[in-house]
Amino acid sequence: GENVEQHPSTLSVQEGDSAVIKCTYSDSASNYFPWYKQELGKRPQLIIDIRSNVGEKKDQRIAVTLNKTAKHFSLHITETQPEDSAVYFCAATPGGYQKVTFGTGTKLQVIP
Amino acid sequence: DAGVIQSPRHEVTEMGQEVTLRCKPISGHNSLFWYRQTMMRGLELLIYFNNNVPIDDSGMPEDRFSAKMPNASFSTLKIQPSEPRDSAVYFCASSKEGGTTEAFFGQGTRLTVV
Repeated sequence: GENVEQHPSTLSVQEGDSAVIKCTYSDSASNYFPWYKQELGKRPQLIIDIRSNVGEKKDQRIAVTLNKTAKHFSLHITETQPEDSAVYFCAATPGGYQKVTFGTGTKLQVIP
Repeated sequence: DAGVIQSPRHEVTEMGQEVTLRCKPISGHNSLFWYRQTMMRGLELLIYFNNNVPIDDSGMPEDRFSAKMPNASFSTLKIQPSEPRDSAVYFCASSKEGGTTEAFFGQGTRLTVV
């Protein structure tokens, strides 16, 4: 089955700096890669996703890149703000009715 | 729509007791997922239904765990008998179609087994 590895497990950045979280996956059939943000004590919520037919997607301060050859994808947050502090999960799925496999999460702390 | 609704929000029970967690997915969503979240193991998929049919239950840890989806608007996750190591936050999520569309999570049930 799919295996998703996520790094780093914790990340501290100064407010205004950029943050990058990296994930690798094992199943070359995976074609959908969502990212979820989970604030303390709350539910995970989708912040951005990318499908295998594109290499990059951007939404305001958040961007995701995908390298299918290397089987890795990354989340980039620019101009970080304290409200970006949360745990971020990457995930991958081969699609259809195959299950979604989550990474182990990255706890991001933005220091004011 | 009120989103995915889970009950109860918190449950404290004694070891050996039966626990039932409930979930109402978003209307019109065909897929429903049960996840367990712990510090040690992260977010684990327990079971996945599509059109009320279990598609993948490989994540269900033991026979003590069972899940049902009798109709499109209701699902239960049951643990019998419960054990302290079952303590975790259990999330239910639903999506329009399988794993390639956004999953909307409920607020979770925090289960403590003493």
